[in-house]
Amino acid sequence: QKEVEQDPGPLSVPEGAIVSLNCTYSNSAFQYFMWYRQYSRKGPELLMYTYSSGNKEDGRFTAQVDKSSKYISLFIRDSQPSDSATYLCAMSDSGGSNYKLTFGKGTLLTVNP
Amino acid sequence: NAGVMQNPRHLVRRRGQEARLRCSPMKGHSHVYWYRQLPEEGLKFMVYLQKENIIDESGMPKERFSAEFPKEGPSILRIQQVVRGDSAAYFCASSPKQGGTEAFFGQGTRLTVV
Repeated sequence: QKEVEQDPGPLSVPEGAIVSLNCTYSNSAFQYFMWYRQYSRKGPELLMYTYSSGNKEDGRFTAQVDKSSKYISLFIRDSQPSDSATYLCAMSDSGGSNYKLTFGKGTLLTVNP
Repeated sequence: NAGVMQNPRHLVRRRGQEARLRCSPMKGHSHVYWYRQLPEEGLKFMVYLQKENIIDESGMPKERFSAEFPKEGPSILRIQQVVRGDSAAYFCASSPKQGGTEAFFGQGTRLTVV
């Protein structure tokens, strides 16, 4: 079992749709949960992160963490064509190796105008 | 702030040659991390360096790969005697202090071994 599992998609939605992206993980030591956006041939860009369980909202983006289920989600409201990218979840612990990010494979999202 | 600068963006090497990938961190960042993204795979941690020190190289292949971050100049990831399986995108990230949440990634170097 991989430490982080992410459905690779691809996911295709119409403009304005609500998008749900998910990851599951097996390492209970993970405390930081991050979502990155990666455009084609570019580097990952941090969208938002959450520490431990709970929700966090930033504009059209909402991140949720359920540590009891080892499940995290990213919701995108009113999706735009400019949101078309690969979305990566990443996690780390909060101890001495908090710098070491474990990534999912990424989900390719296309938002159609 | 120019961000994390990686060069070259694309690198083609023949099997057996050496590849040198450079990473200039963001201004004020003294912590550098290298990740590798193989085709159809997620990014994998390779090594964490501070100025002149390797802190964690647990993700580096035991042979042919080395990394440095000298007092002056960029961080270098060096791959000796490249093989086809080294073809991947190599990303560098930097942060002002240890931790993943404050790390900014560069655009990556895409290495192709022919």
